[in-house]
Amino acid sequence: AQTVTQSQPEMSVQEAETVTLSCTYDTSESDYYLFWYKQPPSRQMILVIRQEAYKQQNATENRFSVNFQKAAKSFSLKISDSQLGDAAMYFCAYRGIYGGATNKLIFGTGTLLAVQP
Amino acid sequence: EPEVTQTPSHQVTQMGQEVILRCVPISNHLYFYWYRQILGQKVEFLVSFYNNEISEKSEIFDDQFSVERPDGSNFTLKIRSTKLEDSAMYFCASSGFSGNPYEQYFGPGTRLTVT
Repeated sequence: AQTVTQSQPEMSVQEAETVTLSCTYDTSESDYYLFWYKQPPSRQMILVIRQEAYKQQNATENRFSVNFQKAAKSFSLKISDSQLGDAAMYFCAYRGIYGGATNKLIFGTGTLLAVQP
Repeated sequence: EPEVTQTPSHQVTQMGQEVILRCVPISNHLYFYWYRQILGQKVEFLVSFYNNEISEKSEIFDDQFSVERPDGSNFTLKIRSTKLEDSAMYFCASSGFSGNPYEQYFGPGTRLTVT
């Protein structure tokens, strides 16, 4: 069974600085998707970024980028120029593709990010 | 931009009562999901639904739970006899063939409090 591990329960960053959130996963599949979701205090789940395992290039969305190391099964999220609005819980998630679009998301335990002014 | 909606936003119920949580997925989506998040814990998969039947369910999704797509637009989660440990945030999600078919769009959640 696939698992997702986030080893940092809490992180803190100064406004305008850069922070990296860690995520490792375990799977025997060769193709899959990885995601980072943001959950602000409203508890809405917001997709931040997506990475397809078959793509070697790391995904980037504005200030958010990932470092995807397939062999190491590592998928970290880098937030550049941190803003107060980035403060939230961040969840790493895995989704296989062999079951088609019905595959469930498997989430890590989350990292609570605080942004200091 | 189309979005998933959920009602109610907060439901308080007494132990042993039945509750129905409602979701309206994005209109052209075909795959539907329920997830649960107990306060302070990770998001857990409950069930996926496609073509009017359950595709997969977790160990959490026991006989007390059921899902239904009664009218082609709503997707409901019913808990027959609620327990204290059912208190959680329940998220509905949907995915389809537009955009990325493997991307699940989440609703804002329903907070269920069982007293």
